[in-house]
Amino acid sequence: EIVLTQSPATLSLSPGERATLSCRASQSISSYLVWYQQKPGQAPRLLIYDSSNRATGIPARFSGSGSGTDFTLTITSLEREDFAVYYCQQRSNWPLTFGGGTKVEIK
Amino acid sequence: QVQLVESGGGVVQPGRSLRLSCAASGFTFNSYDMHWVRQAPGKGLEWVAVIFYDGTNKYYVDSVKGRFTISRDNSKNMLYLQMNSLRAEDTAVYYCAKPRSGGYPEFDYWGQGTLVTVSS
Repeated sequence: EIVLTQSPATLSLSPGERATLSCRASQSISSYLVWYQQKPGQAPRLLIYDSSNRATGIPARFSGSGSGTDFTLTITSLEREDFAVYYCQQRSNWPLTFGGGTKVEIK
Repeated sequence: QVQLVESGGGVVQPGRSLRLSCAASGFTFNSYDMHWVRQAPGKGLEWVAVIFYDGTNKYYVDSVKGRFTISRDNSKNMLYLQMNSLRAEDTAVYYCAKPRSGGYPEFDYWGQGTLVTVSS
């Protein structure tokens, strides 16, 4: 199975700052990488699919990039509602797998 | 609007069985593969199983193979997960999830989740 490693585990930032989250795959997954945001007590929310495509209704401050094994989610200027846990997921191979998550917390 | 409503969770002893249901509405259910994803308390997301739109193909994560069975009833817009031989490590919130498009497993809608607790 494809292992996704997210880093850092925790990111402590202030509102208005830029967040850069990493997701590394154990083998090439082309551009078949998805990003979700999850807040406590809520289901995940789809942010980005196919590495760089924003899902419906997702603000432009969220962007994704990468291909092969290395991927990045960037939030250009953090809003208070962006403090949450972020997961990557690959859809290249079965079984689908998720990364362990990056928590973006308020500094 | 799209709605996914899970039910059937609860407390169950190790080795026993439980059947989860997911009622879908607001989209053409029989055109979408459907998935179960779980999340252990305080932990990350784990994909569990998929059933193709017509029920012809099913895939599972290794840890549940031979114990869990995913099924669907397209006439009732229902998705199911039969869980047998439950273990403590199956304790989690179980979500049903709908792909953004029919066959590509990026999940744009999730249910609210149903909690399964396996404990003696």
